[in-house]
Amino acid sequence: TQLLEQSPQFLSIQEGENLTVYCNSSSVFSSLQWYRQEPGEGPVLLVTVVTGGEVKKLKRLTFQFGDARKDSSLHITAAQTGDTGLYLCAGAPGFGNEKLTFGTGTRLTIIP
Amino acid sequence: GAGVSQSPRYKVAKRGQDVALRCDPISGHVSLFWYQQALGQGPEFLTYFQNEAQLDKSGLPSDRFFAERPEGSVSTLKIQRTQQEDSAVYLCASSLVLTGNTEAFFGQGTRLTVV
Repeated sequence: TQLLEQSPQFLSIQEGENLTVYCNSSSVFSSLQWYRQEPGEGPVLLVTVVTGGEVKKLKRLTFQFGDARKDSSLHITAAQTGDTGLYLCAGAPGFGNEKLTFGTGTRLTIIP
Repeated sequence: GAGVSQSPRYKVAKRGQDVALRCDPISGHVSLFWYQQALGQGPEFLTYFQNEAQLDKSGLPSDRFFAERPEGSVSTLKIQRTQQEDSAVYLCASSLVLTGNTEAFFGQGTRLTVV
């Protein structure tokens, strides 16, 4: 059973547009991680957020952890074709990455 | 190699056959995790090890699934009497320590198809 719901499930936008992906849960997590996964590969960690209200920026990607540590968002500015992939959020019950609970995933396609 | 290595990359098994999936973690990584990823879904936790100790196997779906890491390095996930619902990608991840916000590195996975 997935405890983390991501929306949208699929997103297809033109290169240069902005987008936001949401990750919501009824559970509190000590930390939340975002991964990107490409076909035939394992997930690759993008960022970890640990403090309620925390905002982290990674070039054109902005990650936010909700104040109550139950939800998170990923915002991409000026999307590029290289951003195409499956984006997964994952919550950890304790500080660290043990026993991650992954979200349902958002499949992002950037159209040139 | 520098990353987590899994073998085989692809496995086709007849229903009822036993399979063994291998994971070579990054050298020196203490923690090792197994996840199952069904098509179009996020990975789901199966089990994890700290060195050779299996600390949590609560995610293993049935007693047909068994994992071991006898020397605290290479791990094997064994599935007995495979069934169609076992078809999925099995991902292995390793990290330097169990806690402390340490990044987990994933292998490419083994895609198991049960026919």
